[in-house]
Amino acid sequence: EAQLVESGGGLVQPGRSLGLSCVASGFTFEDYAMHWVRQAPGKGLEWVSGISWKSGTIDYAESVKGRFTISRDNAKKALYLEMNSLTTEDMALYYCVKDGRVRGFSNALDLWGQGTMVTVSS
Amino acid sequence: DIQLTQSPSTLSASMGDTVTITCRASQTVYTWLAWYQQKPGKAPKLLIYQASTLESGVPSRFSGSGSGTEFALTITSLQPDDFATYYCHQYQSLSSFGQGTKLEIK
Repeated sequence: EAQLVESGGGLVQPGRSLGLSCVASGFTFEDYAMHWVRQAPGKGLEWVSGISWKSGTIDYAESVKGRFTISRDNAKKALYLEMNSLTTEDMALYYCVKDGRVRGFSNALDLWGQGTMVTVSS
Repeated sequence: DIQLTQSPSTLSASMGDTVTITCRASQTVYTWLAWYQQKPGKAPKLLIYQASTLESGVPSRFSGSGSGTEFALTITSLQPDDFATYYCHQYQSLSSFGQGTKLEIK
């Protein structure tokens, strides 16, 4: 069964950094673009960042550009998100999400992890 | 950036009803639009992609329509499991989501 498991969330002070990880299983990770989508408490979904299957294409939402860095390690079937200069606006549940098309980049999102919560507070 | 506006924000309906949720894009997304269902405490689940293609395993009472800037998700014969929040998602230009529509039991 295909699965995504996120980790790394927690409580962090404003202005500090935090790194998230996601490990995939049950599908050929190296063939798919991957994304991070977040959801603030009680709010809607916000796409954060995406990375293509070979890391050749990377994009960010304007709200995180210059502060967040997405990366992947296909050998480890892992996706990462390094978050710097965190603010209270970044507090959310962060989902690791699989792109729905082989070797695509921006497609429907067909597999979601359960999310890891990032709390930004002093 | 492409903005998506869903309506209504909240929808009250009874079991067995047919409901329609609309999603309007600020510029054309052709048919690069998906719909998701999210239940409290759970991750979103893909229902429909490319505006009208049903994801594998999704009941046929869900259907999608539209192209360009106007889209709709229709659910016929509402079941108890269908009461949830629904989001549209465009992937024509990066990604963005509608604000969500909460489907409640009347």
